[in-house]
Amino acid sequence: DTAVSQTPKYLVTQMGNDKSIKCEQNLGHDTMYWYKQDSKKFLKIMFSYNNKELIINETVPNRFSPKSPDKAHLNLHINSLELGDSAVYFCASRLAGTYNEQFFGPGTRLTVL
Amino acid sequence: AQSVTQLDSQVPVFEEAPVELRCNYSSSVSVYLFWYVQYPNQGLQLLLKYLSGSTLVESINGFEAEFNKSQTSFHLRKPSVHISDTAEYFCAVRTQGGSEKLVFGKGTKLTVNP
Repeated sequence: DTAVSQTPKYLVTQMGNDKSIKCEQNLGHDTMYWYKQDSKKFLKIMFSYNNKELIINETVPNRFSPKSPDKAHLNLHINSLELGDSAVYFCASRLAGTYNEQFFGPGTRLTVL
Repeated sequence: AQSVTQLDSQVPVFEEAPVELRCNYSSSVSVYLFWYVQYPNQGLQLLLKYLSGSTLVESINGFEAEFNKSQTSFHLRKPSVHISDTAEYFCAVRTQGGSEKLVFGKGTKLTVNP
């Protein structure tokens, strides 16, 4: 009955590889987000999709490409991984509307060697 | 643009002591305010939020926060902490009527010692 789930939980890979992280929510929300939490725990938004449409795209290298096949899924594909991409990536979702909060997934810890 | 400042990166306290985690924000427009908690190796959970109405908001586990517009603050308090409150606490803002993104502070690590 997990609300927002992410796979994998841990991802260890070599520099230069391409990898994907998947996110799924079963809350019926229409807006989904990707956040990056760096080694100092600082959280910053990367992308947001509403009804499969990109609405927020912060200053993120174009090696990062989000894809939303449907409202319940928002995947993150990263090309040519770099050491600085090592972080915890959190997916979140919410139902659009003033008073609705964001629900976060458990995170994916990406380590680039 | 909005920004959030959490003045203390670490706050160690003893069990049953009171605690205050400070949060100040900067924004040219009205904002909604949130506190999220992150327990070790877990995702973020909403602790409490201020959207409108009473400036004092409470959570179910004894935390409270007060929105002070003149001081642009949203400090989090608990009169008596438990060891289980040990976690990272994040203050966040979202502008009213604007982008839906949350802007987070850098977090405060609360450590409750026996």
